[in-house]
Amino acid sequence: AAGVIQSPRHLIKEKRETATLKCYPIPRHDTVYWYQQGPGQDPQFLISFYEKMQSDKGSIPDRFSAQQFSDYHSELNMSSLELGDSALYFCASSPDRGAWGYTFGSGTRLTVV
Amino acid sequence: DAKTTQPPSMDCAEGRAANLPCNHSTISGNEYVYWYRQIHSQGPQYIIHGLKNNETNEMASLIITEDRKSSTLILPHATLRDTAVYYCIVRVRRDDKIIFGKGTRLHILP
Repeated sequence: AAGVIQSPRHLIKEKRETATLKCYPIPRHDTVYWYQQGPGQDPQFLISFYEKMQSDKGSIPDRFSAQQFSDYHSELNMSSLELGDSALYFCASSPDRGAWGYTFGSGTRLTVV
Repeated sequence: DAKTTQPPSMDCAEGRAANLPCNHSTISGNEYVYWYRQIHSQGPQYIIHGLKNNETNEMASLIITEDRKSSTLILPHATLRDTAVYYCIVRVRRDDKIIFGKGTRLHILP
């Protein structure tokens, strides 16, 4: 069965650089969620999209932005990277706004040096 | 403010049933109980959810007390691959976000 695809799997960036993370949801899933998980921490909700519109926003820094495209894939753009942005970034997708649970991707590990 | 309370860690012998408790004394009538787990550094995995009736699927069973103030996730025959952090979450079914709190780190002992 198709899963949520995230790319890249690993990314190393320097401070003050920009990074773009991509997420390809399961076909026919209309909702995408982004989470950030720092070392030893629980996943923190960043932002979500339903039918290509932003539907909810969590503790996402102003330096980050995201969007969902017409094919339902989503991108998380991070600018002016800081050391503290080093984390695992998970994308999840769901049908029916998560009523039946989310399916998470394998994540992108971002390391800022 | 945490909506659920779980023990920080638990041990279970391989092959035995793992019973993971969760308290959610302030749950609202339209909130469901969801369980997820996260195996080390992997994406969280949906396990099961329920409203007030007990639920069972191929992964686990969910037992919800009659007053809905607590629930128990049961893994009937735990294996080493069930070692993970288990999160109990309450949410309105079509609410947008899942908020992960402090889950239970389950260790399956050989």
